[in-house]
Amino acid sequence: DIQMTQSPSSLSASVGDRVTITCRASQGIRNDLGWYQQKPGKAPKRLIYAASSLQSGVPSRFSGSGSGTEFTLTISGLQPEDFATYYCLQHYNYPPLTFGGGTKVEIK
Amino acid sequence: QVQLVQSGAEVKKPGASVKVSCKASGYTFTSYDINWVRQATGQGLEWMGWMNPNSGNTGSAQKFQGRLTMTRNTAISTAYMELSSLRSEDTAIYYCARVVGPIDYWGQGTLVTVSS
Repeated sequence: DIQMTQSPSSLSASVGDRVTITCRASQGIRNDLGWYQQKPGKAPKRLIYAASSLQSGVPSRFSGSGSGTEFTLTISGLQPEDFATYYCLQHYNYPPLTFGGGTKVEIK
Repeated sequence: QVQLVQSGAEVKKPGASVKVSCKASGYTFTSYDINWVRQATGQGLEWMGWMNPNSGNTGSAQKFQGRLTMTRNTAISTAYMELSSLRSEDTAIYYCARVVGPIDYWGQGTLVTVSS
């Protein structure tokens, strides 16, 4: 099975900061990757699909890049409502689906 | 609008089974796979298995094989997930999710607590 290694597992940042989260796949997955935001007590919400396509309604400060084995989620200008946990999810060889371990973004 | 509405919280004893429902609306139920994902408290997301609502075909992660059963009732656009031989480690929130490159919609989650 494909493994997804997400880093860092947590980070502290201030409002207005630029934040970068990385996911590495154990083998090439083309651009078959999504990024999700999860707030406490809520279901995850899709931010990015196909590695770099912004989900409708998601602010443009969120962006995704990458292809093959290395992927990045960038938040340009962190807002108070962005403090949450973020997950990557690959679907290259679905089924199965494989999640990254998550990155908790906390207030510095 | 697309919605997945799950059944309510459950408390079960070790060794028992739990069945969670997921009612879909706002789209053609048989057009997209439904997957199940769980999350233990303070932990990450764990993929459990998939079901094609049209054919009824299913598949599960190896760790759940033999314990996980996924079914559907197409007449009422509802998917079901049954997990048997529950143990304390199965205490988690269980989500159903629609898979469209990859997951696009999630249910609200169902808390399953396994406790003696």
